[in-house]
Amino acid sequence: TQLLEQSPQFLSIQEGENLTVYCNSSSVFSSLQWYRQEPGEGPVLLVTVVTGGEVKKLKRLTFQFGDARKDSSLHITAAQTGDTGLYLCAGVSGGSNYKLTFGKGTLLTVNP
Amino acid sequence: SQTIHQWPATLVQPVGSPLSLECTVEGTSNPNLYWYRQAAGRGLQLLFYSVGIGQISSEVPQNLSASRPQDRQFILSSKKLLLSDSGFYLCAWSVGTGFLHYGYTFGSGTRLTVV
Repeated sequence: TQLLEQSPQFLSIQEGENLTVYCNSSSVFSSLQWYRQEPGEGPVLLVTVVTGGEVKKLKRLTFQFGDARKDSSLHITAAQTGDTGLYLCAGVSGGSNYKLTFGKGTLLTVNP
Repeated sequence: SQTIHQWPATLVQPVGSPLSLECTVEGTSNPNLYWYRQAAGRGLQLLFYSVGIGQISSEVPQNLSASRPQDRQFILSSKKLLLSDSGFYLCAWSVGTGFLHYGYTFGSGTRLTVV
């Protein structure tokens, strides 16, 4: 079973601060995705990264896929209260092309 | 555009009662369909997935079952609920595999409380 470890588990910061959350595995993934989930709702896909070393930007969010396709990071610049939520990474591995393996998530709270 | 409908939003059921959660997808054909359970607002546990009508793969042995009677309909069932079945149930669909996996679209979830 491929595992995705996310860190930190919890993060509480002030509005305007920068932050980085991490997603690590010992397994290689065909692609890796980041989702954000708000309380009582389903996760919403933010980005998919496929190529090792790939960097994608979504406004103040920067996503990077590791060169070896085993890890990823999400960096948020100048966090806003609207960024509050559970951030989940998920990967597709070679043995299970249809299924995503999810990390346990980073619960981010941005305080005003 | 593609949409996914999941209902009910909340459900309180007594132990030993049956369960039926339904999920339908619109705007796409032959999607891959999934049922996940999420405990305590954290990680998602895959329960079942389906790549076609009548094709169900089970990930975790339990007293739940799934069926796909139509291309865009996925049903999660139980004959007798246990207290441990409480949780947040999410349906999702996707297209593509491997490098071309374009991610899941999730429904809004069902909060099940077994009492």
